[in-house]
Amino acid sequence: GQQLNQSPQSMFIQEGEDVSMNCTSSSIFNTWLWYKQDPGEGPVLLIALYKAGELTSNGRLTAQFGITRKDSFLNISASIPSDVGIYFCAGRENSGYALNFGKGTSLLVTP
Amino acid sequence: DGGITQSPKYLFRKEGQNVTLSCEQNLNHDAMYWYRQDPGQGLRLIYYSQIVNDFQKGDIAEGYSVSREKKESFPLTVTSAQKNPTAFYLCASSIGGGSSQPQHFGDGTRLSIL
Repeated sequence: GQQLNQSPQSMFIQEGEDVSMNCTSSSIFNTWLWYKQDPGEGPVLLIALYKAGELTSNGRLTAQFGITRKDSFLNISASIPSDVGIYFCAGRENSGYALNFGKGTSLLVTP
Repeated sequence: DGGITQSPKYLFRKEGQNVTLSCEQNLNHDAMYWYRQDPGQGLRLIYYSQIVNDFQKGDIAEGYSVSREKKESFPLTVTSAQKNPTAFYLCASSIGGGSSQPQHFGDGTRLSIL
């Protein structure tokens, strides 16, 4: 599988700020997923997207399935200290079986 | 509670030794997966299984082996042929293989070389 291009690699922000990160692929995907991983634990699913242009929210998190089907975006509004962690994008090609993952965005939030 | 249980949490391997990582799920999922995670890297697929008694190699299967004798269990063996086994290993499952259903992960096993 391909390694997705996820950016930024890391972010260091103050509590209350909004955060944006994105992920791009070299091929068309039919599924985009966003996960959060805390240190020493497994990734936890945040948002799943299945349709081009789809915009889905989960509390303060909002993710979008890009209309080109080759990208996805995750926004976090009004960040809080517990948002700290590594956020991974993952996607699946139309003809594929396995998920492809980005390298992750490490988020640090200062009070 | 339904979920994916990986054990042990930490595992140490001696040179030339095979070790087996356990993954059990009670979600009644058909598909199960093993990933390897290295620092600063995304997850890389080692093996996956869409159904009992069937499994397929992922991107980095060399030096690893798996079995799927029961629906709820998908153990991973790290063999002595894997020359760089130190990593965080994650097991995942999904309702179906090849579908759009998201994968759900266990809490991982950290393997280190003595």
